[in-house]
Amino acid sequence: GIQVEQSPPDLILQEGANSTLRCNFSDSVNNLQWFHQNPWGQLINLFYIPSGTKQNGRLSATTVATERYSLLYISSSQTTDSGVYFCAAPNTGNQFYFGTGTSLTVIP
Amino acid sequence: EPEVTQTPSHQVTQMGQEVILRCVPISNHLYFYWYRQILGQKVEFLVSFYNNEISEKSEIFDDQFSVERPDGSNFTLKIRSTKLEDSAMYFCASQGEGRFYEQYFGPGTRLTVT
Repeated sequence: GIQVEQSPPDLILQEGANSTLRCNFSDSVNNLQWFHQNPWGQLINLFYIPSGTKQNGRLSATTVATERYSLLYISSSQTTDSGVYFCAAPNTGNQFYFGTGTSLTVIP
Repeated sequence: EPEVTQTPSHQVTQMGQEVILRCVPISNHLYFYWYRQILGQKVEFLVSFYNNEISEKSEIFDDQFSVERPDGSNFTLKIRSTKLEDSAMYFCASQGEGRFYEQYFGPGTRLTVT
């Protein structure tokens, strides 16, 4: 199946800083999604972004499908942004393959 | 905005017991999924369900697991005889027309097997 790799694996930020998380995938995709897993383990849908750029408040995402990567930008980070960020994409079937995640810690 | 719901949020069971995890997908969706996440690991696909039958399943989804859509609204995952290694977070997801559409994930059920 498709390989999904995320970087960096861990990230520590001072509150107010900006960050970029990267997701590389090994094959062409028609769907890509970003999730935030909060400290209670819940998966929060952030973006459905098979291509192009989307923005939602302080978060934005860009997928360049032809180059097989997606970026998640977090601006003016807050402590509530802490958690693990996953990207996921399907292969030939509908099942999602998840990356190993980026663990973000925002310190006040 | 419509959402996927899951019950219970946390279930504790003894090894060897049967558990049923419940999900209510978004009402007009056609594809349904179960994923699991062992603590500290990435989310893994278990099974997909379409048109009242399993369409794909992973190697994890062995004979101890089964899925059902008993009444047209609920979607359940049953584990017949739980093992310690079944302890994980289980996520249900639903999707509209197909793989080009967004998958909506529920908040998850944390299963603890003792």
